[in-house]
Order: sequence, then structure tokens, then C-alpha cells
Amino acid sequence: QSVLTQPPSVSAAPGQKVTISCSGTYSNIGNNYVSWYQQLPGTAPTLLIYDNNQRPSGIPDRFSGSKSGTSATLAITGLQTGDEADYYCGAWDSSLSGGVFGGGTKLTVL
Amino acid sequence: QVQLQESGPGQVKPSKTLSLTCTVSGDSISGFSWNWIRQPVGKGLEWIGRIYAGGSTNYNPSLRSRVTMSVDTSKNQFSLNLNSVTAADTAVYYCARVSPVTLFGLDYWGRGTLVTVSS
Repeated sequence: QSVLTQPPSVSAAPGQKVTISCSGTYSNIGNNYVSWYQQLPGTAPTLLIYDNNQRPSGIPDRFSGSKSGTSATLAITGLQTGDEADYYCGAWDSSLSGGVFGGGTKLTVL
Repeated sequence: QVQLQESGPGQVKPSKTLSLTCTVSGDSISGFSWNWIRQPVGKGLEWIGRIYAGGSTNYNPSLRSRVTMSVDTSKNQFSLNLNSVTAADTAVYYCARVSPVTLFGLDYWGRGTLVTVSS
């Protein structure tokens, strides 16, 4: 049982937009920054978004993040088949004094 | 370019201690937070803990009684020990760095190493 809650799967057609939600509590998302990771099959996760909505260099602007209250959202526009991957949200939890992740969302580009 | 590489046994017997080392290249280990994360095959990510170059640590409460992390700045390495392992500890173990511009954005990851707990 993950501390942060994500939908198990989402799907959309190439070129379309998809959003992935991440729900938490005041001790994690509500009072700390959210990060998002992409994990392609058989590889380590890579950082997509940090501090709710900041992109590391090299991450295309098709990927964007937002946060409201105790929930966060990752949006991907102009979907490509290469975006098929598992996506994870993460945050620091002040009550646990530790990091927490969502259970992951599998994106299928139909 | 910062690179992280996990090393250690790929198999550990039940009740024994899992020991892994992460070697950092391309930057000094000083001044950053270094984390261990694991992922059972086919499942999600679980944060194990973090250590700073100065030695201060935070551990996942669910693993705290079995986890110890250490750092060797002279070798640019940090390590994970997890004792009293069971089959439930079988997973791919990753080491990762927290970006200096954020509290918990993990910007560099190792490739991961599969550790199987089996007799």
C-alpha cells in the first residue's frame, strides 16, 4: 500500500493529452514539493518534474506538473509511442521524515 | 556527468545481511543527499533511506530497525546494510542522488542491482 495514490493505468492515442493524478495528505504533498519520474521498461527511473512544476534540462515541455492542496497532476501532451512507461510521483513526508512514492501509473499509448 | 553504480552480491540467504555499495563518479559525494530505493520485480518504488556526506541519516520507518547506511567520502561511496532479510526483501535496489536545488527530486540514479533472497 503506497502512501501516495495514483491510478494503476491510463491510456490515450498518439498526439493526444493525458493526465496522471497523485493524491496524498498534508504531511507530504500538502506541505512539500512533488516530483515525477518516468520508468521505461527495464530501466531506472528518470526525473521528469521536480518542485511541483520544474523540468530538469533536457525534459521536453510536453511534460508539465501542477499541484493543488494535497493532490498533484502530471500532464503529457502530444503523446508519442515512446512515452509508454510507468510514471511515479514522489514527495517528502514531514510526519514520516522520509520519502514516499505513489504506486505507479502505467501509460499506454494506443 | 554524474554516474552512480551499485555493487554487491546478487543473492543473499534468508536471515542474513544484504550489503550494497554505491560508487559515485563525476562529482564529489560531499554536499548532497544520497538515497537508496528498491523495487520488487513488477511492483512500485519504495524509499529505503538517505544519508548525507556528513553521516546524518533518515530511514523508512517500516525498515528502520533493520537498516544501516554509511558513507566513505575518501572513496566517494555510500553503502546500505539491511539485516535479517526475507524473501520480501527481494528487489532491484537503486542508489540515487537528490538534486541540490530541491528537497526530494532524485536527479541521478544508478542502473539498479537485483538482489534475490534465497537459500
